[in-house]
Amino acid sequence: GENVEQHPSTLSVQEGDSAVIKCTYSDSASNYFPWYKQELGKGPQLIIDIRSNVGEKKDQRIAVTLNKTAKHFSLHITETQPEDSAVYFCAADSPLLTGNQFYFGTGTSLTVIP
Amino acid sequence: DTEVTQTPKHLVMGMTNKKSLKCEQHMGHRAMYWYKQKAKKPPELMFVYSYEKLSINESVPSRFSPECPNSSLLNLHLHALQPEDSALYLCASSQDGVAGEQYFGPGTRLTVT
Repeated sequence: GENVEQHPSTLSVQEGDSAVIKCTYSDSASNYFPWYKQELGKGPQLIIDIRSNVGEKKDQRIAVTLNKTAKHFSLHITETQPEDSAVYFCAADSPLLTGNQFYFGTGTSLTVIP
Repeated sequence: DTEVTQTPKHLVMGMTNKKSLKCEQHMGHRAMYWYKQKAKKPPELMFVYSYEKLSINESVPSRFSPECPNSSLLNLHLHALQPEDSALYLCASSQDGVAGEQYFGPGTRLTVT
């Protein structure tokens, strides 16, 4: 079945620096790749997503890139701010799963140091 | 508006209690989900309702009983839970049960004593 690996598990950056989180997946038939941000005590918030017919997508300071050949996708956060501190989860859909199910990565705890 | 609401925010219950978690969305979504999340782990899917019908049950113990009274509401009835069931219970919704964006609620923090 699908396996989504996420790295690193923890990441600390200085405020203003960039942060990059990487995920790899195993099922070449996966088509949809969302990223979620989860702050302490809250539910996951969809922050950006990408579909397999697109290589890159940007939304202000956040961007996601997808390399279908290599089966990996990455989240890029530029000009990080303390409020970016949270746990980030990547996910991938899979035709092996019925319905709208995702395989989630194991999460990255991002700390932005003021 | 991409809001999913959940009540209560926190719940403490004994192993013999019966309680219910509630979830509501007004985005016109036709698929709704229950997830369980343990600390420092990703969400684990429990149930999926698609067009008000239970479409997926991920081998969840019968002490968890979902209900979808209408397309906007989702309940999770709890009975005779175990301490290991303590977790954050998340509700999510999506346009349909086929593919696409899922929006999560804030969760209910459940503690079983």
